Amino acid sequence: QVQLVESGGGVVQPGRSLRLSCAASGFTFSNYGMHWVRQAPGKGLEWVAVIWYDGSHKYYADSVKGRFTISRDNSKNTLHLQMNSLRDEDTAVYYCARDHLPSATAYFDPWGQGTLVTVSS
Amino acid sequence: EIVLTQSPATLSLSPGERATLSCRASQSVSSYLAWYQQKPGQAPRLLIYDASNRATGIPARFSGSGSGTDFTLTISSLEPEDFAVYYCQQRANWPPFTFGPGTKVDIK
Repeated sequence: QVQLVESGGGVVQPGRSLRLSCAASGFTFSNYGMHWVRQAPGKGLEWVAVIWYDGSHKYYADSVKGRFTISRDNSKNTLHLQMNSLRDEDTAVYYCARDHLPSATAYFDPWGQGTLVTVSS
Repeated sequence: EIVLTQSPATLSLSPGERATLSCRASQSVSSYLAWYQQKPGQAPRLLIYDASNRATGIPARFSGSGSGTDFTLTISSLEPEDFAVYYCQQRANWPPFTFGPGTKVDIK
């Protein structure tokens, strides 16, 4: 079955870096765009970044632009999010999510279980 | 950026009752709107896409309607497992993809 498993979360000091990963299985990873979406504790959902199925295009939310980098390795069915210059307000559960349809950027389905990033001194 | 607002913030209903949730966009999103369900401690799940299409495996009691700026998610008869938070999301004008603030459906 389709599965997305995030890893790499943890506690990090403000200004430091962290790299999240998302391992995909059960579908042809290289056919789908992939996203990161985050959710601060007790809050709603915020889209973070998207990468095209072939890695050719990447887009970011203004809140992370210039600090976060999304990437993928289609040979390893893995998605990454490099997070630099972390701020308190980046504290959240980070979900990776697949595009609903292949080769189309649309909706998010399915989602991984999430990994918690806590930015704190 | 398209802003989505959802109402009500909380909906208190009993099992078996009908739930009607609203999502309004700050400008037209055509039919490019989805609904997600999120239960405590779980990831969101896609329920409805393109305003009215049920995602794979979603029960028929969930239905979506609307276009332009006004959308509705209806749960025809609430089951115990339907008590959750529901978010709408647009893909008409991005980046960014935006979500509404959510409607919590809780047990009366």
